[in-house]
Amino acid sequence: EAGVAQSPRYKIIEKRQSVAFWCNPISGHATLYWYQQILGQGPKLLIQFQNNGVVDDSQLPKDRFSAERLKGVDSTLKIQPAKLEDSAVYLCASSPSGAGLGNEQFFGPGTRLTVL
Amino acid sequence: AQSVTQPDIHITVSEGASLELRCNYSYGATPYLFWYVQSPGQGLQLLLKYFSGDTLVQGIKGFEAEFKRSQSSFNLRKPSVHWSDAAEYFCAVGEPGGGNKLTFGTGTQLKVEL
Repeated sequence: EAGVAQSPRYKIIEKRQSVAFWCNPISGHATLYWYQQILGQGPKLLIQFQNNGVVDDSQLPKDRFSAERLKGVDSTLKIQPAKLEDSAVYLCASSPSGAGLGNEQFFGPGTRLTVL
Repeated sequence: AQSVTQPDIHITVSEGASLELRCNYSYGATPYLFWYVQSPGQGLQLLLKYFSGDTLVQGIKGFEAEFKRSQSSFNLRKPSVHWSDAAEYFCAVGEPGGGNKLTFGTGTQLKVEL
């Protein structure tokens, strides 16, 4: 079974530029998550999708971050414009049907973003 | 809101020695508890989880964890560490009824000396 795929693996941009990350979850997984992991910290949930609907985006900085999951499969996370403090690893995870607890979250390798 | 504290930022152990990584949580009721491991350049991998029942939980790679309600702790243990266990370990709390949302601790970096 293929795991969660993310691209690109690394991205370097200058502040005020825009950037987009892509995630393809495990086939059949209804729930998709985007996390931000700043160096020295644990992952922080940015947004959670159930199929193509948003379940939780309370910690997403909506003035600059946006995410979509068209057709309930793969997802894109965008930052526009980027700030220095957005430098982090962006992790995508997916879990099987439902948002019920107990469903293991499977993580992708992440995209390391550096904002100069 | 729940929170997780991992008081040890770095730990160094010799190969073959025992290991205990500490995790304390703050939550009004019994949360769901998880331990994940992250190797360099890799995503997080689930080691074990606790929902209810037996407070001693067995996981993959020879790890176990014990839930102690009185101490609000969920410490991770391994009787004999292997060099390949060097990685970063994260404790996480899930909120029952919270839609599978996880709150992670800041992690403990494990170094294994040969």
